[in-house]
Amino acid sequence: VIWMTQSPSLLSASTGDRVTISCRVSQDISSSLAWYQQKPGKAPDLLIYGASTLQGGVPSRFSGSGSGTDFTLTISRLQSEDFATYYCQQYYNVTYTFGQGTKLEIK
Amino acid sequence: QVQLVQSGAEVKKPGSSVKVSCKASGGTFSSYAISWVRQAPGQGLEWMGGIIPVFGTTNYAQQLQGRVTITADVLANTANMELSSLRSEDTAVYYCARHSHWNYRFNYYYFHSMDVWGQGTTVTVSS
Repeated sequence: VIWMTQSPSLLSASTGDRVTISCRVSQDISSSLAWYQQKPGKAPDLLIYGASTLQGGVPSRFSGSGSGTDFTLTISRLQSEDFATYYCQQYYNVTYTFGQGTKLEIK
Repeated sequence: QVQLVQSGAEVKKPGSSVKVSCKASGGTFSSYAISWVRQAPGQGLEWMGGIIPVFGTTNYAQQLQGRVTITADVLANTANMELSSLRSEDTAVYYCARHSHWNYRFNYYYFHSMDVWGQGTTVTVSS
């Protein structure tokens, strides 16, 4: 099983801030990593796949980077609609695993 | 634009089974892969298993092997997930999701990221 560790678990920020969320993986997964955003009571939405490719329709203030075992999601200028929980997920191994989530809240 | 529409909420007794369906509207999914992901109250996401409907090929999470069965009806554009021997820890929101694509290598089917999700089905297990 590939383990995913996100940090921080909770992130407090203000509108307009730049924030980064880290996802560390227990083994090399190349670029087989996706990021999802989930708002309360809703299904997750795909933001980024292939570690750095923006899904269609996702604002350009979102970006992803990394490969191997260390990955980062960056939101360059937080908007009010960005306060949500974010998950990383690996699809390198046939048993697909998620990080535990990072809740982004308003400071 | 395909949408995945899931069946309604369920309340089940411990030890029983539940079957949740996921129907594609506005498109087909037979050549894609469909996975089921669940989320217990206040918790994170857990992948349960998936299927490529056109082949009927399935893959399950090890911790649920033997309790979960995923099937698909290509003509009905529907995927189903059945979970048996229910316990209170199975109380969760269950989502179906379509993988953007898949590939085959080293005798395994590998699914990519999940780009379309159902609305979720709440399953409550309580005596």
